[in-house]
Amino acid sequence: NAGVTQTPKFRILKIGQSMTLQCTQDMNHNYMYWYRQDPGMGLKLIYYSVGAGITDKGEVPNGYNVSRSTTEDFPLRLELAAPSQTSVYFCASSYTSGGPRDTQYFGPGTRLTVL
Amino acid sequence: GENVEQHPSTLSVQEGDSAVIKCTYSDSASNYFPWYKQELGKRPQLIIDIRSNVGEKKDQRIAVTLNKTAKHFSLHITETQPEDSAVYFCAASSSGNTPLVFGKGTRLSVIA
Repeated sequence: NAGVTQTPKFRILKIGQSMTLQCTQDMNHNYMYWYRQDPGMGLKLIYYSVGAGITDKGEVPNGYNVSRSTTEDFPLRLELAAPSQTSVYFCASSYTSGGPRDTQYFGPGTRLTVL
Repeated sequence: GENVEQHPSTLSVQEGDSAVIKCTYSDSASNYFPWYKQELGKRPQLIIDIRSNVGEKKDQRIAVTLNKTAKHFSLHITETQPEDSAVYFCAASSSGNTPLVFGKGTRLSVIA
């Protein structure tokens, strides 16, 4: 199993540009998450999904959109990039949440810089 | 909703000493408490977790304790080594569809 994979690894955007961060998991997990981590800071939940077709906002959803059309994929869309969105973005997945199989597995991250 | 407080934010220990990181949570319905380790430039990875029906869990040099009455849980690392240097995150969640809520992290430095 590849686990959770993310592309790209690095990206530089200009202010106002848009992009999609890709996330794929091959563990047949129901739950998927997007976090951002600013330098020296903790993890902030952007959006999460409890299954295909179902998404919900986390702590910091403004400026982002998500979709979950399949169990495996959970792309994060940035519209009109702003310098405040400079961060490392982690995708994660888990089989359940709050239950006995709810370990979150993280992808390697995407380092995004907006100039 | 759940709120998780983590202390201290930074911790320096001499190699071989013990390190303790503490977290408190607010939602009495929370029943799952994992700890993640994030090395510099890497992804967070689960190192140990505990559920509300257990008071303590050990795995070699690391242990986690849980006090449900006081709503706090702690990570204990004994005989620290330089490779233990990392940021550690605690988290909590209740059953159902509620995502984990993470603490803000503790940067542990083990000085050789």
